[in-house]
Amino acid sequence: NAGVTQTPKFRILKIGQSMTLQCTQDMNHNYMYWYRQDPGMGLKLIYYSVGAGITDKGEVPNGYNVSRSTTEDFPLRLELAAPSQTSVYFCASSYSARGATEAFFGQGTRLTVV
Amino acid sequence: SQKIEQNSEALNIQEGKTATLTCNYTNYSPAYLQWYRQDPGRGPVFLLLIRENEKEKRKERLKVTFDTTLKQSLFHITASQPADSATYLCALYNNNDMRFGAGTRLTVKP
Repeated sequence: NAGVTQTPKFRILKIGQSMTLQCTQDMNHNYMYWYRQDPGMGLKLIYYSVGAGITDKGEVPNGYNVSRSTTEDFPLRLELAAPSQTSVYFCASSYSARGATEAFFGQGTRLTVV
Repeated sequence: SQKIEQNSEALNIQEGKTATLTCNYTNYSPAYLQWYRQDPGRGPVFLLLIRENEKEKRKERLKVTFDTTLKQSLFHITASQPADSATYLCALYNNNDMRFGAGTRLTVKP
């Protein structure tokens, strides 16, 4: 059981570079989420998706973009990396909405922008 | 504005005692509330879910209460063990998105 898989695990970016954080799940979940977690802070929601072709902004969407062309994949794009985007990024998925079922998380991507 | 507050950033207790963690929220009307455990360097792992019409939920040494009048959930770990040391997060849904409190870092000392 793979669950939620994130790649890469670690990445160092220079200011102004761009990259895509990959997230894929094999549980056929409709709901997927991207969070960032700064040291000593909770998880902040960046974007979420309720199904293929549908995405919406969370609490902190600026500087990020997402797409959801398939049920399995939910990549997160950083276009012009800034030091403020140094963080640990987590992808998650769940079967249903409104907290009715548990969410499954990936292992995270640790991103440093220098 | 909507807020989820976990009242203690850190909690230290002695092995064998009961740990009690608090989650307060404002401007939410959640149908469900969830608790997760997060170990350093890893993603959160689901522990318990409680519905708005449930006052209490138990799973082994874990107990969660949910008071929609007080807008508060309490999370208890009885007979705590050093292996319970971790950060515990509460989560609420706002329509289709899931938001978290900042977490409480629990340390259980032998």
